[in-house]
Amino acid sequence: NAGVTQTPKFQVLKTGQSMTLQCAQDMNHEYMSWYRQDPGMGLRLIHYSVGAGITDQGEVPNGYNVSRSTTEDFPLRLLSAAPSQTSVYFCASSYSPTAGYEQYFGPGTRLTVT
Amino acid sequence: DQQVKQNSPSLSVQEGRISILNCDYTNSMFDYFLWYKKYPAEGPTFLISISSIKDKNEDGRFTVFLNKSAKHLSLHIVPSQPGDSAVYFCAAGDQTGANNLFFGTGTRLTVIP
Repeated sequence: NAGVTQTPKFQVLKTGQSMTLQCAQDMNHEYMSWYRQDPGMGLRLIHYSVGAGITDQGEVPNGYNVSRSTTEDFPLRLLSAAPSQTSVYFCASSYSPTAGYEQYFGPGTRLTVT
Repeated sequence: DQQVKQNSPSLSVQEGRISILNCDYTNSMFDYFLWYKKYPAEGPTFLISISSIKDKNEDGRFTVFLNKSAKHLSLHIVPSQPGDSAVYFCAAGDQTGANNLFFGTGTRLTVIP
């Protein structure tokens, strides 16, 4: 099992550019989520999905879109990058969408917006 | 507004001694709590959890204590080892909802050999 994989590891964007952060898991997990980690802020939930075709907003969803067409993949789209989106992004998954199940995190994508 | 707080950004402990990491929360809806460990350039990994129906949970060298009335939890590591040096995040969730977590800001633990 590769677990949770994220690509790319690093990315530099100019303000206004768009891009997609990729996340995939091979554990047949129902629940997937995206967090961002900023200095002094901990990890904050951006969007999550409780199964294929079902997504919802987390704590800080503005500026991001997601979709979940398959169980395995949960891409995060930045439509028009802003410097405030400079952060480290983590994708996570868990077996069940209900609370209390261990979440497995990917290695992260470090994004810089200039 | 930060619903989960870790007020100590860093902690240094001698190898073999006890490490105590603290966490406070404000949302009374939280009813399960977790600790994650993070090494540089890696994602967080799950360490230990506790449900609000318990006040203590042990797993080897790691013990988590929960004081619901004070809205406080702590992680004890005994004995501390150099490999425990990492950033530790406290997280909380609500068992009536989806598996969404609220994280603290982290405490960097350094275990000195």
